[in-house]
Amino acid sequence: EVQLVESGGGLVQPGGSLRLSCAASGFTFSDHYMDWVRQAPGKGPEWVGRIRNKASSYTLEYAASVKGRFTISRDDSENSLYLQMNTLKTEDTAFYYCTRLAGTGWSNAVADYWGQGTLVTVSS
Amino acid sequence: DIQLTQSPSFLSASVGDRVTITCRASRGISNYLAWFQQKPGKAPRLLIYSASALQSGVPSRFSGSGSGTEFTLTISSLQPEDFATYYCQQHNSYPLTFGGGAKVEIK
Repeated sequence: EVQLVESGGGLVQPGGSLRLSCAASGFTFSDHYMDWVRQAPGKGPEWVGRIRNKASSYTLEYAASVKGRFTISRDDSENSLYLQMNTLKTEDTAFYYCTRLAGTGWSNAVADYWGQGTLVTVSS
Repeated sequence: DIQLTQSPSFLSASVGDRVTITCRASRGISNYLAWFQQKPGKAPRLLIYSASALQSGVPSRFSGSGSGTEFTLTISSLQPEDFATYYCQQHNSYPLTFGGGAKVEIK
């Protein structure tokens, strides 16, 4: 059974940092592209960024709203995905979801599994 | 960025009704559109990708169609467990974007 379990959320002051983790199991983690998606309370989802697999050189994509502040990484030996968030702003408050992408092409690079989410609150 | 506009944003329907939700893209995205279902307190669930491909395990009463800029999600016979919010997402180009959502409530 595919499982994605996020951790590391919490309350942080504006300008602070936080590192989210996602523990993956039940599938060959190293084969898959992974995305982070966030959702502010009562709002729709917002894509944060992507890390591709080793075969695609672990290349990255980011939303403009987080580029330069957030960094996605992965450790295939630990089946783990990470999101390092720096210079946090109040508008970064959201549930953060780790997602697995079904495939690697545009036709099937969609999030077929999601974690339960971890809440990040940026407030003074 | 590609903007996705969903309509209606809210609809009230009865069990057994046929329901259609529309998603319009600000420019052509071929058929690279996905639909997700989200219930309160839960993560979104993938229903359909590439406009019409049904995700494994999703009931056949869900179907999707469209290409270019106009897409639809249809639920052929609404069931009690289908009351939820539905989001479209384009997977054609970066940044990936979502529509504003369509909440389906019990009439």
